[in-house]
Amino acid sequence: AQSVAQPEDQVNVAEGNPLTVKCTYSVSGNPYLFWYVQYPNRGLQFLLKYITGDNLVKGSYGFEAEFNKSQTSFHLKKPSALVSDSALYFCAVRAHSGNTPLVFGKGTRLSVIA
Amino acid sequence: DTAVSQTPKYLVTQMGNDKSIKCEQNLGHDTMYWYKQDSKKFLKIMFSYNNKELIINETVPNRFSPKSPDKAHLNLHINSLELGDSAVYFCASSQEWTPNQPQHFGDGTRLSIL
Repeated sequence: AQSVAQPEDQVNVAEGNPLTVKCTYSVSGNPYLFWYVQYPNRGLQFLLKYITGDNLVKGSYGFEAEFNKSQTSFHLKKPSALVSDSALYFCAVRAHSGNTPLVFGKGTRLSVIA
Repeated sequence: DTAVSQTPKYLVTQMGNDKSIKCEQNLGHDTMYWYKQDSKKFLKIMFSYNNKELIINETVPNRFSPKSPDKAHLNLHINSLELGDSAVYFCASSQEWTPNQPQHFGDGTRLSIL
């Protein structure tokens, strides 16, 4: 069965500093990996995905993520955090084959302090 | 224009009642989903439909019955509501069932059982 671990419930970072939100996954075979962001009282918004190829994936709002197969990780990064980046971030994984669902991590709350 | 819209946004009702939540997407997508987000923000798939056919039916009580009258609509009917059904229910859609497709979420229906 596939699963996602987001080891940090909360990440605090000062505005202008780089940020990292961690994610590790478990899946049979190769993964499709996704990051979503959720603002208060809103649905999830897609940020970026890894399918295959280049391990560094660039997404919306200046976010990027690095796929590391040996460490089964897909950490979300941004070089310079903004206060408006404060939100709940979800990592998700889906197997390449079979009628398997998208499985989400428990979420990490990012707080960017001015 | 809202891509994935859910109605109602808020639903407050008594235990034992029957209620429905409607979802419509105007993206021309083939696949639609229902998710449940609990009070700890954990997000879990409930159902997936592709071209009006049920693809995924996770371990959900049979009090929950999805209905897809056409590709653009996926409604959720809940019978005999229980306290534990209190949650935020999200509808989502993706272009097709292919697992590398990102999903587009509605803003959720907040269900509170008194």
